[in-house]
Amino acid sequence: AQTVTQSQPEMSVQEAETVTLSCTYDTSESNYYLFWYKQPPSRQMILVIRQEAYKQQNATENRFSVNFQKAAKSFSLKISDSQLGDTAMYFCALGGAQKLVFGQGTRLTINP
Amino acid sequence: EAGVAQSPRYKIIEKRQSVAFWCNPISGHATLYWYQQILGQGPKLLIQFQNNGVVDDSQLPKDRFSAERLKGVDSTLKIQPAKLEDSAVYLCASSLVPNTEAFFGQGTRLTVV
Repeated sequence: AQTVTQSQPEMSVQEAETVTLSCTYDTSESNYYLFWYKQPPSRQMILVIRQEAYKQQNATENRFSVNFQKAAKSFSLKISDSQLGDTAMYFCALGGAQKLVFGQGTRLTINP
Repeated sequence: EAGVAQSPRYKIIEKRQSVAFWCNPISGHATLYWYQQILGQGPKLLIQFQNNGVVDDSQLPKDRFSAERLKGVDSTLKIQPAKLEDSAVYLCASSLVPNTEAFFGQGTRLTVV
């Protein structure tokens, strides 16, 4: 079975700071994908970043980057120069041959 | 490119009533997902279609929930009869390739009173 665990229910940082959200996962598959989604209060889920398991290089999208540790089954999201608009729920997700499963989420608040 | 369309956005019903949600995925996306998201939790997969066939409905409460995707495009999720614990946001998503990058609609917030 595929599982995703996010151990930080809530986080809060000041605007312009850097914040890291943690995610661990478990899967028996060798070929899979990892994602971070953002869900603002408007509730539409938006893809932030994706990582293919076969790629060793960590994915980067502007201020968002990941630290993918395959052996440790860890996939953390780093947000640099955080902005007020980054306030949202963040979900880690794992996709593969079985299904696309989500973690319980981390509520991130960026304070002015 | 048009996104995933869902309707209605909000619905309030009494317990034991029935309700239906509609979803139109992104054009060309063969995979369609219905997720249930209870307040404060992550999305839970209810059912997944590949074209018009079901590939996973292991967590769908089949005694009260049903879903169809007759022509392999849009889909309907129905609850009959509704229970209080069905209060949640119902999210529809689609993807080009199964279990990869999924695009979500705005969801339907269901309140059962």
